[in-house]
Amino acid sequence: AQRVTQPEKLLSVFKGAPVELKCNYSYSGSPELFWYVQYSRQRLQLLLRHISRESIKGFTADLNKGETSFHLKKPFAQEEDSAMYYCALMKDSNYQLIWGAGTKLIIKP
Amino acid sequence: GAGVSQSPRYKVAKRGQDVALRCDPISGHVSLFWYQQALGQGPEFLTYFQNEAQLDKSGLPSDRFFAERPEGSVSTLKIQRTQQEDSAVYLCASSLTGRSSGYTFGSGTRLTVV
Repeated sequence: AQRVTQPEKLLSVFKGAPVELKCNYSYSGSPELFWYVQYSRQRLQLLLRHISRESIKGFTADLNKGETSFHLKKPFAQEEDSAMYYCALMKDSNYQLIWGAGTKLIIKP
Repeated sequence: GAGVSQSPRYKVAKRGQDVALRCDPISGHVSLFWYQQALGQGPEFLTYFQNEAQLDKSGLPSDRFFAERPEGSVSTLKIQRTQQEDSAVYLCASSLTGRSSGYTFGSGTRLTVV
C-alpha cells in the first residue's frame, strides 16, 4: 500500500540552525514526491517537487530511493519558515496525492 | 477569479442535517479535486473531476457524500445526514491539467458537526 510517513509532529529549532523535516514513503513504483507548506492563516501551497530539483526559499529535498526518503532541508532556518509542512506522493494515476500527517515547524528567535 | 474560492469558510451543522459546500475554481482550470482533512492529519482524497465528468469518486467515505460539477466550473460537495465523524476541513483544489503538481488550493471549509 502507498503511504507517506512524517515521523515528527512538531519540530522546534533556533533561528540560524539547520532544519531537516523527515519524510519516508512506501511505494512500489517510481514515485513523484512533493513538499507543500501552509503558513499561518494561509492556504496550502506547493513548496517544491523532486522532479524539478529546485531550491525554494533555501529549502532542498533529495529523493533517496534506497532509503525511500524525501527529507526537506535548509541550512539556516529563518523565523518566517515557521509553518506546517506536508510531504505528499503522487500515485500512478497522476492526479491523486497521498499525504503525510504534516510536521509543524517552529523557529525560535 | 484570481484563486480558488470556497464557501462557506465555516459551517456548524447539527447531526443529521444536510450540508452543501461550494468550490469556485480558477477560471479555465479543467481539473478539480476535493480532499478531506481531519484534525491533525494530512488531506485525504475524496473525488476528482475533469470538466463536468467525475472521473474518480473512490475516496468518498459513504453514499452520504455526493459531489457534482454540472457545467465544468463550480463544484458542490454535499453531505447528507451529517455525522460527527464528518467534522473536518474540506479542501478544494483546481489544476489546469490533471497533474497535481499544478494544484491551487482553496482556503477550505471547516465543518463541525454537533
